[in-house]
Amino acid sequence: GAVVSQHPSRVICKSGTSVKIECRSLDFQATTMFWYRQFPKQSLMLMATSNEGSKATYEQGVEKDKFLINHASLTLSTLTVTSAHPEDSSFYICSARGDSGGGAREAFFGQGTRLTVV
Amino acid sequence: GENVEQHPSTLSVQEGDSAVIKCTYSDSASNYFPWYKQELGKRPQLIIDIRSNVGEKKDQRIAVTLNKTAKHFSLHITETQPEDSAVYFCAASMIIQGAQKLVFGQGTRLTINP
Repeated sequence: GAVVSQHPSRVICKSGTSVKIECRSLDFQATTMFWYRQFPKQSLMLMATSNEGSKATYEQGVEKDKFLINHASLTLSTLTVTSAHPEDSSFYICSARGDSGGGAREAFFGQGTRLTVV
Repeated sequence: GENVEQHPSTLSVQEGDSAVIKCTYSDSASNYFPWYKQELGKRPQLIIDIRSNVGEKKDQRIAVTLNKTAKHFSLHITETQPEDSAVYFCAASMIIQGAQKLVFGQGTRLTINP
């Protein structure tokens, strides 16, 4: 399968600071990238969908000013958690999907980033 | 809204026995159904998928069946081994707000007892 690299894998930050997470597709062009949040022992909750060169689409209940998403190129999307607070501590995972020209295609996941806000 | 229901939430089987996980989905237009395996602290890994023009797909010890009429699909693992222990997620591809997205089930924690 295709390779998606997410960085950093772990980050600890102080409350009130911002954290940027990168998601790169290494061997394919990702027209669409998805950002998920996963709480312990729970499922993947979609936060937002980003398409290269356009604004991200956020899911209901996700604050777009707090979780800034930039999909600047076909291989890179970033998620910035602004003014992080302890309740933002979670496991964040990106996934990337190429353009099939029709029909659903599989999405490949990054390694995930465990964010701890202290 | 669009959702995927997954059962059971936990499953414990003896090594060598079979395990079955079931999912139902709400959007009849869904046409792609992947299954992911996630080990603790790691990324979800695609293990098998099925498209709506197929009723069953098999890959060695893993098989997936799809019943479009009933809107449910199942994962079958035969001859289970300790390394099959993980959390398994089903997903369905749905059009939400004009975009194709994967909606995940709640997950099943599978434990294989030696």
